[in-house]
Amino acid sequence: QQQVKQSPQSLIVQKGGISIINCAYENTAFDYFPWYQQFPGKGPALLIAIRPDVSEKKEGRFTISFNKSAKQFSLHIMDSQPGDSATYFCAAMPDTGFQKLVFGTGTRLLVSP
Amino acid sequence: DTGVSQDPRHKITKRGQNVTFRCDPISEHNRLYWYRQTLGQGPEFLTYFQNEAQLEKSRLLSDRFSAERPKGSFSTLEIQRTEQGDSAMYLCASSFPSGRAPYEQYFGPGTRLTVT
Repeated sequence: QQQVKQSPQSLIVQKGGISIINCAYENTAFDYFPWYQQFPGKGPALLIAIRPDVSEKKEGRFTISFNKSAKQFSLHIMDSQPGDSATYFCAAMPDTGFQKLVFGTGTRLLVSP
Repeated sequence: DTGVSQDPRHKITKRGQNVTFRCDPISEHNRLYWYRQTLGQGPEFLTYFQNEAQLEKSRLLSDRFSAERPKGSFSTLEIQRTEQGDSAMYLCASSFPSGRAPYEQYFGPGTRLTVT
């Protein structure tokens, strides 16, 4: 049972363009939504995260948009660069019990020069 | 801050052998997690420690798997009688105690296990 659905599976964006990755969740107990960036052979690196009390969070070129009623959130990468080429995972964590991250299936981003 | 470290980075073993992996969390973190990641998938939760107490185990963690964190610092994950289906990247993560950004989990580089 996949609790966090992520799309697209892969994405090609030209340098300088905007990369958009979407996630949807079902469990209304989720209240923390991070995005991780992973390069081949490396562990996931925390990129940016949001709680449901805000609809948007921006850090540099990375923005999370959050729609609580639709149970959806997305990552926007502005001015995408070849160095952003990596796999991106959305995740969610419930507000009760222990803090297990539930991950999406990942989006492979390629930024062409 | 040296980050989360894992050892070894790569392990090749024959089916039926036992393997053990080690994770050293960030020093201020009292929470430690193990995840497993197969090719093309997101990490899946295996188990969670708060200090030395193992508080949660996934159904993915069969009885061939055992994890320990004896002194609340480093942790080990042992797989007995390895099977080819155990081939995966084993990731360790750690986080602060409750009240200090407890949600932020920081991952190590992982141990890539190949069972032949």
